[in-house]
Amino acid sequence: NAGVTQTPKFQVLKTGQSMTLQCAQDMNHNSMYWYRQDPGMGLRLIYYSASEGTTDKGEVPNGYNVSRLNKREFSLRLESAAPSQTSVYFCAAQLDRNPYNEQFFGPGTRLTVL
Amino acid sequence: AQSVTQLDSQVPVFEEAPVELRCNYSSSVSVYLFWYVQYPNQGLQLLLKYLSGSTLVESINGFEAEFNKSQTSFHLRKPSVHISDTAEYFCAVIRGGSNYQLIWGAGTKLIIKP
Repeated sequence: NAGVTQTPKFQVLKTGQSMTLQCAQDMNHNSMYWYRQDPGMGLRLIYYSASEGTTDKGEVPNGYNVSRLNKREFSLRLESAAPSQTSVYFCAAQLDRNPYNEQFFGPGTRLTVL
Repeated sequence: AQSVTQLDSQVPVFEEAPVELRCNYSSSVSVYLFWYVQYPNQGLQLLLKYLSGSTLVESINGFEAEFNKSQTSFHLRKPSVHISDTAEYFCAVIRGGSNYQLIWGAGTKLIIKP
């Protein structure tokens, strides 16, 4: 039972390159999230998927796209990476979008854009 | 706009000493309050939460936090810290009726000195 897994763990991109961050959960949870974590700023929500088949913008969606491929997988795509997207990216899963349910986090992807 | 303030970016304490990590939020409506912990090179984990009822909530590893509505605070305390408590601690808030989006503080690094 792995919980929430993310790949890759580390990535270095050049400005303008594209890439997809992968996230998968084996908890049969309905809601999934993508956050970015920057020093001194806490976590900021990029996109979320309240349930399979739906996605919504969070606080900082510009420059990103997401796909809820199925109930297990939620990917984040950077079409044209910029240095401002250098950050640590976390995926999280939640039984459903309700404060009484805990969000479970993956180990993160550390992305550097040169 | 809803905000969460963690005044201390780092808190150094000696092992077995007490510690308090401060969290204040801005909201005049009902809130749900959370503390998450991030151990080095890991994702975040829920430490404790206040949803309703008793204003004092406890975690399984000796931390406690008290919801103070008049001071809009949710400070985290532990009477005696251990080296294994070395981590970054994040306070987060969901404002009632806000589509259940978590708003995060910037985090406080707890540094345990031997």
